[in-house]
Amino acid sequence: QVQLQESGPGLVKPSETLSLTCTVSGGSMSSYYWSWIRQPPGKGLEWIGYIYFSGTTNYNPSLQSRITISVDTSKNEFSLKLSSVTAADTAVYYCARPRSCSGTTCFDVWGQGTTVTVSS
Amino acid sequence: DIQMTQSPSSLSASVGDRVTITCRTSQSIRSHLNWYQRNPGKAPKLLIYGASSLQSGVPSRFSGSGSGTDFTLSISSLQPEDFATYYCQQSYSTPYTFGQGTKLEIK
Repeated sequence: QVQLQESGPGLVKPSETLSLTCTVSGGSMSSYYWSWIRQPPGKGLEWIGYIYFSGTTNYNPSLQSRITISVDTSKNEFSLKLSSVTAADTAVYYCARPRSCSGTTCFDVWGQGTTVTVSS
Repeated sequence: DIQMTQSPSSLSASVGDRVTITCRTSQSIRSHLNWYQRNPGKAPKLLIYGASSLQSGVPSRFSGSGSGTDFTLSISSLQPEDFATYYCQQSYSTPYTFGQGTKLEIK
């Protein structure tokens, strides 16, 4: 059974770059998309973007200018970089796997989430 | 972006009750609607996809219905482990968007 685990610094200074990694275990990354989702305190879930195992990406336009999602299938991991962070980027960050679910797309596997705080 | 309006934002109920959560979208998404459950400190869990299909391993007391812009998640005969937060999510178009969540609490 595929499992996802996020890792990275829990504290990032304003204007710096947030970097997170999601490690995939229990299965192959091939032929799947991989995604990042976040939830700021007191707010709803926000889809950040996804990457196909081959490297094709799709980003949320609201964050597109600041994000980079990359994949390293040899290490079974994918990563998120979010530049020029502010307090508004404080959130629980989840990695998740979007897959085809009978003609639609659903997130069928999620990591437990990692809290990132932006503060000096 | 497609806006998601989920209601109620919180709900108190007792074990054994039947509850219904509603999700409305700002435009038609046909049946591209998923439901998730999240317990504190745990990974979100897919319950329903495609508006009404039950994810493998999810108890049959969970059901989903709707199409177009109006959708519902129903839980018949609440169990203690069902007290959690529930989210709807549209997968009709990117950027994918989520409802604000419904926190289901024990009365």
